Amino acid sequence: KQEVTQIPAALSVPEGENLVLNCSFTDSAIYNLQWFRQDPGKGLTSLLLIQSSQREQTSGRLNASLDKSSGRSTLYIAASQPGDSATYLCASDGIQGAQKLVFGQGTRLTINP
Amino acid sequence: SAVISQKPSRDICQRGTSLTIQCQVDSQVTMMFWYRQQPGQSLTLIATANQGSEATYESGFVIDKFPISRPNLTFSTLTVSNMSPEDSSIYLCSVGHREAFFGQGTRLTVV
Repeated sequence: KQEVTQIPAALSVPEGENLVLNCSFTDSAIYNLQWFRQDPGKGLTSLLLIQSSQREQTSGRLNASLDKSSGRSTLYIAASQPGDSATYLCASDGIQGAQKLVFGQGTRLTINP
Repeated sequence: SAVISQKPSRDICQRGTSLTIQCQVDSQVTMMFWYRQQPGQSLTLIATANQGSEATYESGFVIDKFPISRPNLTFSTLTVSNMSPEDSSIYLCSVGHREAFFGQGTRLTVV
């Protein structure tokens, strides 16, 4: 059974810093690894999707990497801004096309002005 | 991408009653997924809704408690039945073959 873990559970940094969020998974037979953002009381916004054949994806100030052999993914946020404050979730699915996502507990990120 | 609309966005309900949550997608999709997010917790898959067949429930979730309808390829409902305070959660629907897209969620409080 897939288990997804995110470290740290919470992170507070000053504005402008670069930061890394970590995600680990127990079963390397994943198909997709996806990073989401969730604002308080809201739904999820997809940030980046990494397919199993890919090593990384980039969108603006965000870069996500995937290392299946070690069971790890990282989300790198460059030049952080107060608007980046949110909970960041990673999720994996292990069956092609099934999209039954297993989520980590999330990292609650606070960017201080 | 897909645009997903959920209704209601939030509700406060009395214990013992039922609430039906609607999920509308702007394109036809084969599968729709319902998730629950309990307070302070991450998301857990409740069931997969396929058009034309019964929903498939994950371990720990049963049809009598969470009946699901899927009348066409753009719409689904999830009912939370005989509610108790433990059902207070955010309920979200999701679609997507590779990349998953979520609605804004329904925040349910049971009193």
